[in-house]
Amino acid sequence: RKEVEQDPGPFNVPEGATVAFNCTYSNSASQSFFWYRQDCRKEPKLLMSVYSSGNEDGRFTAQLNRASQYISLLIRDSKLSDSATYLCVVNPRGSQGNLIFGKGTKLSVKP
Amino acid sequence: GAVVSQHPSRVICKSGTSVKIECRSLDFQATTMFWYRQFPKQSLMLMATSNEGSKATYEQGVEKDKFLINHASLTLSTLTVTSAHPEDSSFYICSARATSGVSDTQYFGPGTRLTVL
Repeated sequence: RKEVEQDPGPFNVPEGATVAFNCTYSNSASQSFFWYRQDCRKEPKLLMSVYSSGNEDGRFTAQLNRASQYISLLIRDSKLSDSATYLCVVNPRGSQGNLIFGKGTKLSVKP
Repeated sequence: GAVVSQHPSRVICKSGTSVKIECRSLDFQATTMFWYRQFPKQSLMLMATSNEGSKATYEQGVEKDKFLINHASLTLSTLTVTSAHPEDSSFYICSARATSGVSDTQYFGPGTRLTVL
């Protein structure tokens, strides 16, 4: 089983749609979880951290289910500018650990 | 947020030459910097972890004699690809973690696209 697995994508959605991405991780002791966004030929940029209680930032909601080792990202009211690849990222060892990246899920929002 | 720069942003070189990539944390001190490589349509893969003042820790399968890492100060790490070959063509990205050990947030540089002819 891969350390971090994501929906293969691509997701092609119209503007205004709600889209959800899923991710599973293999290390049950993992301590930190993130969603990053990567635009074509650019570096990843932190979108949001993911907390056990779930957290929301504007149109973006992230949730973590430790029992199922499952992370999700929900994007509401999609904008054209949301088009990018979304990376699920796990840090197995907290502040001293390295980030483990999923392959990413490509989102394309169409007018 | 914190800023990390990389130089050069793009480099094209002939096979057999060496290429040096610099990674700088501009507004914070980074005890740890990471070097990643990303091939087209693939995920970022960690190559090595660079700690200031000590030897880098390389991931399995990454040749330390080919990818030389120097972390001479709290704001600068360099990656040198020695005797580059076409298969080394990739997107190389560094990231830096601040010295305040509580946070594990990493800040990424803009990446260096290496093409070896």
